[in-house]
Amino acid sequence: GAVVSQHPSWVICKSGTSVKIECRSLDFQATTMFWYRQFPKQSLMLMATSNEGSKATYEQGVEKDKFLINHASLTLSTLTVTSAHPEDSSFYICTFAGGTSGGSYNEQFFGPGTRLTVL
Amino acid sequence: QQQVKQSPQSLIVQKGGISIINCAYENTAFDYFPWYQQFPGKGPALLIAIRPDVSEKKEGRFTISFNKSAKQFSLHIMDSQPGDSATYFCAASKQGGSEKLVFGKGTKLTVNP
Repeated sequence: GAVVSQHPSWVICKSGTSVKIECRSLDFQATTMFWYRQFPKQSLMLMATSNEGSKATYEQGVEKDKFLINHASLTLSTLTVTSAHPEDSSFYICTFAGGTSGGSYNEQFFGPGTRLTVL
Repeated sequence: QQQVKQSPQSLIVQKGGISIINCAYENTAFDYFPWYQQFPGKGPALLIAIRPDVSEKKEGRFTISFNKSAKQFSLHIMDSQPGDSATYFCAASKQGGSEKLVFGKGTKLTVNP
């Protein structure tokens, strides 16, 4: 399957600071990427859909001014958590839909995730 | 409103046994149904996926059974191994998987040696 990387893999920051998370597709050019959030022992919840060259679409209840998404190229999307607070501590995971060779549908491949801890 | 319902929440199986996890969906526009395996601290890994034009798909020890009329699909893990112990998520999407995934709540599988 396609390879997706995330950086950093984990980060600890103080309350009120901003954190940037990078998501890169290493062997595929993606026009659309998705950002999910997963709290401990819970399922994945979509935060936003990132489209290359245009504004991201946020899910209901997700603050667009707090979670800034930039999809500057077909291989890079970034999520910036601004003025982070302890309740933002979570596992953030990116993914994109990529066509598989010979496949009839778009499989979504997840990055390894970024563990954010806000003190 | 939960669009994809997954059960059971947890499952304990003996080594060599069959693990079965069930999911039900509501939106008939869904046309892509993947299963993901997640180990602690890791991102979900795609295990197997199916489209509604087939009723079953098998890859190694993993099989998806799909019932379009009942709007249900299930994951069967044959000859379960301790290394299969993980959390499994079913999901659904539209447009052949190119749209956002809607996830079930997950099943924590424990395979005892």
